[in-house]
Amino acid sequence: AQSVAQPEDQVNVAEGNPLTVKCTYSVSGNPYLFWYVQYPNRGLQFLLKYITGDNLVKGSYGFEAEFNKSQTSFHLKKPSALVSDSALYFCAVRDSGVRSARQLTFGSGTQLTVLP
Amino acid sequence: SQTIHQWPATLVQPVGSPLSLECTVEGTSNPNLYWYRQAAGRGLQLLFYSVGIGQISSEVPQNLSASRPQDRQFILSSKKLLLSDSGFYLCAWRIGGGKYGYTFGSGTRLTVV
Repeated sequence: AQSVAQPEDQVNVAEGNPLTVKCTYSVSGNPYLFWYVQYPNRGLQFLLKYITGDNLVKGSYGFEAEFNKSQTSFHLKKPSALVSDSALYFCAVRDSGVRSARQLTFGSGTQLTVLP
Repeated sequence: SQTIHQWPATLVQPVGSPLSLECTVEGTSNPNLYWYRQAAGRGLQLLFYSVGIGQISSEVPQNLSASRPQDRQFILSSKKLLLSDSGFYLCAWRIGGGKYGYTFGSGTRLTVV
């Protein structure tokens, strides 16, 4: 079975500082990993994904994530946080070796607050 | 380009009334379609998914049902709403192939009073 964990319910960071939102996963095969962002009363928006290749993935709005196979992690990062980055962030995983329509497993979400 | 439409954006319904939320996808064929519920602005609960017309898989026994009458249409229904059905409902779709994530609709905020 596949699973994903976001160990922090809430992350606070000052504007201009680097931010990290943590995600760890568990799959039996190779993972496909995704990050989504959700603003209040809106749907989830795709930020970035890791399928294969470079461990550092660059995405929308200056975000990037680093795939670490040995630590089974896919942390979301940004060098300099903006107040407008404040939102709910979801990590998701899929086992590439499993063919199932049910597919993606989402984490519980991390609320990022960037303080001015 | 592919787009997903979900309506209404907000809905206030009395307990015991029926519900119908609609989701349609444009610009693609034979998508996998999903209904999620998000309570208290946090985790996503998968309610139903569909791989084709008339094919519905239910993840959680509940007061809700889903139907897929057309390839790009997915409907979430209830005959009698409960207070516990309140929440934020999200529709999502995915094209075939595991390398693609989901694309989400803008959501419906349902309040049962």
